[in-house]
Amino acid sequence: AQSVTQLGSHVSVSEGALVLLRCNYSSSVPPYLFWYVQYPNQGLQLLLKYTTGATLVKGINGFEAEFKKSETSFHLTKPSAHMSDAAEYFCAVGGGSTLGRLYFGRGTQLTVWP
Amino acid sequence: NAGVTQTPKFQVLKTGQSMTLQCAQDMNHNSMYWYRQDPGMGLRLIYYSASEGTTDKGEVPNGYNVSRLNKREFSLRLESAAPSQTSVYFCASEPSHLIAEAFFGQGTRLTVV
Repeated sequence: AQSVTQLGSHVSVSEGALVLLRCNYSSSVPPYLFWYVQYPNQGLQLLLKYTTGATLVKGINGFEAEFKKSETSFHLTKPSAHMSDAAEYFCAVGGGSTLGRLYFGRGTQLTVWP
Repeated sequence: NAGVTQTPKFQVLKTGQSMTLQCAQDMNHNSMYWYRQDPGMGLRLIYYSASEGTTDKGEVPNGYNVSRLNKREFSLRLESAAPSQTSVYFCASEPSHLIAEAFFGQGTRLTVV
């Protein structure tokens, strides 16, 4: 079975501050891990993914995430928040025979204050 | 490049009515998916099609049927709509079920009254 827990349904930061969005997962197979971003009234856009290899992955818009197997975590970070980062972020886990069958967390709404 | 196109974008149905949500992709992807998004619930998989000619149930298939019409198109049908099916529906496609990179459509916002 696979599942994702995102800690904090809402996160607020000031512009220029560190962004940290937390994600923990459970998986019975080697996990593939993803972060997606959703802007209002739009579909989901892939930010970054971990499949195999280097555990620190870099994505678009300056975001990165680190796969920590011992902690079953895949937290998303960005050193300096920008107003345009305000959106909802979803962590997802896949793996096994059908990788596209993703299990999503409940989402974290990021607010960026000027 | 259109990517994944969903129609309609908005729909209001009365309880008991039926409708089909359409999805088409122009990226020559093999795998396609239907998800529903509800507030505070994230996205949940309804049905998927790993390749043309195959479909399988996801987490929440009850009340839905799907058709993989050809490689490009994957439709979702509500035979008798219920208020519990009020949701935003997303279609997604992927090069294959072994390549982990899903592309999402813009969504269909469905209200059942």
